Amino acid sequence: QSALTQPASVSGSPGQSITISCTGTSSDVGSLDLVSWYQQHPGKAPKLMIYEVSHRPSGVSNRFSGSKSANTASLTISGLQPEDEADYICCSYAGSRILVFGGGTKLTVL
Amino acid sequence: QAQLVESGGGLVKPGGSLRLSCAASGFSFSNYYMSWIRQTPGKGLEWLSYISTGSEYTNYADSVRGRFTISRDNAKNSLYLQMDSLRAEDTAIYYCARYLSSNSWDPPDYWGQGTLVTVSS
Repeated sequence: QSALTQPASVSGSPGQSITISCTGTSSDVGSLDLVSWYQQHPGKAPKLMIYEVSHRPSGVSNRFSGSKSANTASLTISGLQPEDEADYICCSYAGSRILVFGGGTKLTVL
Repeated sequence: QAQLVESGGGLVKPGGSLRLSCAASGFSFSNYYMSWIRQTPGKGLEWLSYISTGSEYTNYADSVRGRFTISRDNAKNSLYLQMDSLRAEDTAIYYCARYLSSNSWDPPDYWGQGTLVTVSS
């Protein structure tokens, strides 16, 4: 049940695109298309932004997209906006009815 | 709109016990798998446990297996986490969260605001 690996921080200017990676193993990220992404603002609960690698829940902007290659999943945010500044956390099914999370990435909008 | 409200957190001594509750509203509670997840500044989010719609299935993270017990009361739209043999490393914000579907491989979609548990002498 090891945590997934994410970069500690990324940054971008308004209007730019950024990508956050999430690296796991063949037992979690690489096993099935069951990676999700959360956005968390300070003091708030996480909000589901992407599930099953690339699906957006209703109400989530299409500026958010997800992808996966082998054991690494990625979240891309296009057209960065100031309100996108938050922590982004990936999550993967790890088999045996267990979920595992990444350590989180702090996004700064310059 | 789905709403989850946790309660029961607080300060407890090492070795002590605490029972967390989560009141659900705005959705058909009995139709969803539920979970407990905690967050610390150092370790981030950690999935702890899940329970199926009718309590037939549960599972736990290795870090809490044998010490924590998840349960639910569908008649009361409530989820619980009994925490025994608490350790300092259990200090965290504890979230109640609803699974996206009735599948244990789907992620939680709605989360409560969390309740703080502090284990200290």
